Amino acid sequence: AQSVAQPEDQVNVAEGNPLTVKCTYSVSGNPYLFWYVQYPNRGLQFLLKYITGDNLVKGSYGFEAEFNKSQTSFHLKKPSALVSDSALYFCAVRDIRTGANNLFFGTGTRLTVIP
Amino acid sequence: DADVTQTPRNRITKTGKRIMLECSQTKGHDRMYWYRQDPGLGLRLIYYSFDVKDINKGEISDGYSVSRQAQAKFSLSLESAIPNQTALYFCATSDWGQANTGELFFGEGSRLTVL
Repeated sequence: AQSVAQPEDQVNVAEGNPLTVKCTYSVSGNPYLFWYVQYPNRGLQFLLKYITGDNLVKGSYGFEAEFNKSQTSFHLKKPSALVSDSALYFCAVRDIRTGANNLFFGTGTRLTVIP
Repeated sequence: DADVTQTPRNRITKTGKRIMLECSQTKGHDRMYWYRQDPGLGLRLIYYSFDVKDINKGEISDGYSVSRQAQAKFSLSLESAIPNQTALYFCATSDWGQANTGELFFGEGSRLTVL
């Protein structure tokens, strides 16, 4: 069965400090992993994805994520946090059970960047 | 104008009433989706459609129905609303090529409250 876990409901970080939002996954076969961000009163926006290739994936707004197969993790990172990064972040895995390529989302992590 | 438009953005209704949430898109995508978002539960897939003749149930379809009136329009109905259907509902789209990599484009959400 496909699943993703976001172990932290809330992450607080000071502006200018590096940030990490954690995600672990469980899939059958090769994982297709994604990060989305949701700003207040908005829909989700795609940030980045890992399908294959380099373990370090770069995405929008200076975010990157590191795929670690041995630890089954796909943590989202940014070297220097901005107050405008405060949002709800979702990790997702492609659901291959149905063959429909649908996304299965984690429960979300709320990131607060403190000025 | 938004590429994926949801109406209404907010709705308060009473138990037992029929409610329709509408979604229209200008992206020309084949695939459309309805998700619901609940605090602490992330996003869960209700229904999805690959084209106007292809409708599929997601993980939580009970109590909901959908209609794909045209490639650009996908509506979600609650035939007899109940309080535990109070949630934030999102419509999303993707096209065939992008579906293979999982990128979804979301509307801004419809907040439904059932009293």
